[in-house]
Amino acid sequence: DGGITQSPKYLFRKEGQNVTLSCEQNLNHDAMYWYRQDPGQGLRLIYYSQIVNDFQKGDIAEGYSVSREKKESFPLTVTSAQKNPTAFYLCASSFRAGFDSGELFFGEGSRLTVL
Amino acid sequence: SQQGEEDPQALSIQEGENATMNCSYKTSINNLQWYRQNSGRGLVHLILIRSNEREKHSGRLRVTLDTSKKSSSLLITASRAADTASYFCAAVGSRLTFGEGTQLTVNP
Repeated sequence: DGGITQSPKYLFRKEGQNVTLSCEQNLNHDAMYWYRQDPGQGLRLIYYSQIVNDFQKGDIAEGYSVSREKKESFPLTVTSAQKNPTAFYLCASSFRAGFDSGELFFGEGSRLTVL
Repeated sequence: SQQGEEDPQALSIQEGENATMNCSYKTSINNLQWYRQNSGRGLVHLILIRSNEREKHSGRLRVTLDTSKKSSSLLITASRAADTASYFCAAVGSRLTFGEGTQLTVNP
């Protein structure tokens, strides 16, 4: 079945470590997104990519980095520069580029906890 | 910046009752979307209403959009315990911005 796969589902990190969250889609979507969700809150955009080898900062990009070397993959690295990284991270994709391109398809999320 | 804001933050009803959630936004939009999130899971798209539409139905869902008031509502009719989840609106213009959600609890 087509969909978005995020891994790992749970991740623990010590302070000062970088961690990378994986996001893979087999929907042949052009656009991919990373969101952060804190408890009881909405989603905030970290980075998005509308085409391979191109990506843009979202509203809270500081302390994060991404790459888009393949259409189906959009990994997110949470660096040690991110001061409060404990959160639920959601990856999404959409068929076309542009925020008005229609619905987003989401993965099941990765929960990162800093020890 | 445009922002979807849901009201109420939490809603608790009995099975069989209707649930209404409201969303307000600040700037002009192309469309407005509603999503559902079960606890600890990803979001699932429910319905999209375009800026030139006033009402849209999908099964037990009814969405209205009032662009003059910059507001939308989601009505779930004949609610079921399985409808318990968080519901988010997403206002779509030059960006797509999610609100903070309404936590709906349907008691059996």
